Amino acid sequence: AQSVTQLDSHVSVSEGTPVLLRCNYSSSYSPSLFWYVQHPNKGLQLLLKYTSAATLVKGINGFEAEFKKSETSFHLTKPSAHMSDAAEYFCVVTTNSGYSTLTFGKGTMLLVSP
Amino acid sequence: NAGVTQTPKFQVLKTGQSMTLQCAQDMNHEYMSWYRQDPGMGLRLIHYSVGAGITDQGEVPNGYNVSRSTTEDFPLRLLSAAPSQTSVYFCASRQGGARTEAFFGQGTRLTVV
Repeated sequence: AQSVTQLDSHVSVSEGTPVLLRCNYSSSYSPSLFWYVQHPNKGLQLLLKYTSAATLVKGINGFEAEFKKSETSFHLTKPSAHMSDAAEYFCVVTTNSGYSTLTFGKGTMLLVSP
Repeated sequence: NAGVTQTPKFQVLKTGQSMTLQCAQDMNHEYMSWYRQDPGMGLRLIHYSVGAGITDQGEVPNGYNVSRSTTEDFPLRLLSAAPSQTSVYFCASRQGGARTEAFFGQGTRLTVV
């Protein structure tokens, strides 16, 4: 069994300040974890993924995430927010056991103010 | 390279009508899935397929039907539309293997009145 909890439904930041979007997961097997971004009325785009290699993962547009097994967390960060980062972000888990479906968190809406 | 293509982009149905949402991928991916997205719910899995001729139910399969006759296509059928099926639907494909990411279509916004 697997599940994902995104701890904040909305996060508001000012442009130029750091971004932190929190994600905790549960998995019966070794997990793979992903962050996707969805801009308004668009499809989902992969930001980054963790698949059991380096625990600090760098993605597109300056985002990165750190896999912490002891805390079962995979938080997404960015040092400096840009207006174009305003979107909904989804944390996703799957297990590394045979075929495993993707389980999505409920999403975090990131609001960026000037 | 088109990736994952969904049609139509928008659809309005009357209660009780049936329709098929089309999904095609040109990446030769083994795995394909259908999700629905509702506000505050994330994406929930409806049905998925691990190869031609093989399908299985996801978290919310009731009222939907799928088949996979080719690697490329994975249509989703609404048998008798209900207002509760008003949602945004996404098709996704993945290469075989647990560590692979999914590629998504642009979505179909369905309204049932």
